[in-house]
Amino acid sequence: KQEVTQIPAALSVPEGENLVLNCSFTDSAIYNLQWFRQDPGKGLTSLLLIQSSQREQTSGRLNASLDKSSGRSTLYIAASQPGDSATYLCAANAGGTSYGKLTFGQGTILTVHP
Amino acid sequence: NAGVTQTPKFQVLKTGQSMTLQCAQDMNHEYMSWYRQDPGMGLRLIHYSVGAGITDQGEVPNGYNVSRSTTEDFPLRLLSAAPSQTSVYFCASSLTNRGNYGYTFGSGTRLTVV
Repeated sequence: KQEVTQIPAALSVPEGENLVLNCSFTDSAIYNLQWFRQDPGKGLTSLLLIQSSQREQTSGRLNASLDKSSGRSTLYIAASQPGDSATYLCAANAGGTSYGKLTFGQGTILTVHP
Repeated sequence: NAGVTQTPKFQVLKTGQSMTLQCAQDMNHEYMSWYRQDPGMGLRLIHYSVGAGITDQGEVPNGYNVSRSTTEDFPLRLLSAAPSQTSVYFCASSLTNRGNYGYTFGSGTRLTVV
């Protein structure tokens, strides 16, 4: 059974810092991996999607990498801003016959203070 | 293009009552699913559908029914609500059954069963 772990559980940084959020998964046979952002009391907003054949994806100040062999993905946020404060979730898509069965990590709660 | 729309946003039920959580998408997505989010448990898959007329169980299906008569709609029914069903419910959809292009989530329904 796929298990996804996110480290750290919480992170507090001053504005302007570059930071890395970690996501590890136990079954490397994933189809793709998606990073989401969740603001308090809100839904999930997709940030980046990495296919199993890709090594990384970039969107603005965000960069996500994927290493299937080691079962790890990282989300890099450059020049953090207070508006980046949210919970960040990674989700592994098993693919194959496991249609749409996303396995989520517990999330990293990020606080960026001015 | 509204994406994934969930109604209601908030609901309080008494134990034993029934209700239907609505989910609609206007993106012609093939795949739709329901998750529940609980503190310490993360997001867990309840039911999913790979097309109109086709549904299947996820990780935590007990106490919930679904049907999919159209491509656009995927309602979740609670036949006899229990306090253990207090949670935040998210509907998600994907263009393809394998999630090649990632998943889009609704804004959620916060349900309290007393």
